[in-house]
Amino acid sequence: EAQVTQNPRYLITVTGKKLTVTCSQNMNHEYMSWYRQDPGLGLRQIYYSMNVEVTDKGDVPEGYKVSRKEKRNFPLILESPSPNQTSLYFCASSNHTGPGTTGELFFGEGSRLTVL
Amino acid sequence: AQSVSQHNHHVILSEAASLELGCNYSYGGTVNLFWYVQYPGQHLQLLLKYFSGDPLVKGIKGFEAEFIKSKFSFNLRKPSVQWSDTAEYFCAVNVPLNTNAGKSTFGDGTTLTVKP
Repeated sequence: EAQVTQNPRYLITVTGKKLTVTCSQNMNHEYMSWYRQDPGLGLRQIYYSMNVEVTDKGDVPEGYKVSRKEKRNFPLILESPSPNQTSLYFCASSNHTGPGTTGELFFGEGSRLTVL
Repeated sequence: AQSVSQHNHHVILSEAASLELGCNYSYGGTVNLFWYVQYPGQHLQLLLKYFSGDPLVKGIKGFEAEFIKSKFSFNLRKPSVQWSDTAEYFCAVNVPLNTNAGKSTFGDGTTLTVKP
């Protein structure tokens, strides 16, 4: 079954304690991205990756890091989490990396993070 | 950069009422357009998409949307809503020739509540 898998789904942590949210897709998609969803603000892009070893900042990258060592995985790293990073996070992938493709995003189930 | 505006933040309807959710985008060139739906507690999933051809596109569960290029609009419609359509709806635009070719910019979302 084609899917995007995120872990953990729920996490409560404390300020400053490093954490990683994993994301894996089995569709051989080149493009992957992280979004955060906050009430009244919709979805905002944190980081994206056009391919292995190619990553770039989205609209709200501060406080986050990513890596793309393999095509299927795109972990989101919070080196020193703060309460303003409490949010619902979605990983997404797409086969859209150039003209002529549709850019439909396939989303993971979401990871709800609370930073105390 | 492209942007997306959804006109209604919260819509409340009775079952069998007709639905139209407005979406306008700002970008002067070719775009791909999407509507995603997020049912309570779930991840986003594609409802329908437009990238070329017939400007009236049909999606799952009886939804349709019409692309009007002159108005930069991509409104979502359904003739008769059901209680199970209660969800949050996001309009998104993607610029296929942009360097961040996979980036979808999302509107803030419209919460639809259907009363039985």
